[in-house]
Amino acid sequence: QKEVEQNSGPLSVPEGAIASLNCTYSDRGSQSFFWYRQYSGKSPELIMFIYSNGDKEDGRFTAQLNKASQYVSLLIRDSQPSDSATYLCAVNLNSGNTPLVFGKGTRLSVIA
Amino acid sequence: GAGVSQSPSNKVTEKGKDVELRCDPISGHTALYWYRQSLGQGLEFLIYFQGNSAPDKSGLPSDRFSAERTGGSVSTLTIQRTQQEDSAVYLCASSQDGGGGYFGPGTRLTVL
Repeated sequence: QKEVEQNSGPLSVPEGAIASLNCTYSDRGSQSFFWYRQYSGKSPELIMFIYSNGDKEDGRFTAQLNKASQYVSLLIRDSQPSDSATYLCAVNLNSGNTPLVFGKGTRLSVIA
Repeated sequence: GAGVSQSPSNKVTEKGKDVELRCDPISGHTALYWYRQSLGQGLEFLIYFQGNSAPDKSGLPSDRFSAERTGGSVSTLTIQRTQQEDSAVYLCASSQDGGGGYFGPGTRLTVL
């Protein structure tokens, strides 16, 4: 059973702070990892992906992957109220086009 | 370029009726996925098409659900004899290079 676990939240952070979102996965053979943002009533939007151990930065977002610990995280620097959304972690067993396994998401609330 | 489109955006039907949901993927994307999301729940994988290969139907919840993809492009998800538990948002995604799927806006299905 492939599982992706996330704390459902809500995670509340003040504006300008760093938001840290965490995700663990059960299948050690997982190859690629994705973070989606989903605003209420909207469909998920891909914001980051990471394949290799370590950090990957894109603007205010940093994805961190530790395959030994089966742990992937998303850091959002200088959090803004517009970052308030549900963040979904998704994992792929392969590097190719196969269905992603999604976590249930963490709801982030950035307080102005 | 154009993203993934889905139609209709909303569908209200009576229990026992059949419904068809349509997905137009991003041009050139070889992989197409159907997921559904119930209120407050995570994304549930339904079916996956990759090029000309046989589809992965492992996520379809019952034999009332079927899907086809014509010409490697447009896909139709059909639900026969709808039940109230089928009410959900049905999301379609497409991808090309294994970099995660790009989602359409979804079809909100309500079965009365």
